[in-house]
Amino acid sequence: AQSVTQLGSHVSVSEGALVLLRCNYSSSVPPYLFWYVQYPNQGLQLLLKYTTGATLVKGINGFEAEFKKSETSFHLTKPSAHMSDAAEYFCAVHDRGGNKLTFGTGTQLKVEL
Amino acid sequence: NAGVTQTPKFRVLKTGQSMTLLCAQDMNHEYMYWYRQDPGMGLRLIHYSVGEGTTAKGEVPDGYNVSRLKKQNFLLGLESAAPSQTSVYFCASSFQGGPNSPLHFGNGTRLTVT
Repeated sequence: AQSVTQLGSHVSVSEGALVLLRCNYSSSVPPYLFWYVQYPNQGLQLLLKYTTGATLVKGINGFEAEFKKSETSFHLTKPSAHMSDAAEYFCAVHDRGGNKLTFGTGTQLKVEL
Repeated sequence: NAGVTQTPKFRVLKTGQSMTLLCAQDMNHEYMYWYRQDPGMGLRLIHYSVGEGTTAKGEVPDGYNVSRLKKQNFLLGLESAAPSQTSVYFCASSFQGGPNSPLHFGNGTRLTVT
């Protein structure tokens, strides 16, 4: 079964600093990859996804992620953190030919003044 | 447009009691899913449905049952609740099952089993 590993369950950055949330996948065949965000007391929302084509994917709220096959990674970045970015972020993988999404364990992002 | 609605929002059960969580979507989606979210474990798939009248087991199906009698509704049942089922439960739906159909989530049901 495909899986994703998120390094760091908690990440803290200063407002205006770079955000980097790490995600690595385990698959010999490049899967479809996603980042979801969960704000307090809400369900998850799709931030961005990689299926095929361009390896640098742009999402909502200024986030982007780069698919790197050689590193089996799909790290999420944002150049300048905002207080409103504080949330939990989940990386997820969708196996090719299947119909299920498998989530990572999540990274809680804290943004400090 | 309400999207995905889950009821109830909160519930406390005693061990051995039963209950049903209701998920309703108004987007005419074919696929529906039930996940549970536990600290440090992310979201794990309990059961899912690929259309009206169908159900399938996910990663952690034991202790749960589901039904999809109507396309817009997906019910999750706990026949005999256990403390290990204390969790936040999320329902999601998607138009299709592939990667180009993003999941739409409800706001969750927080269940405590004492």
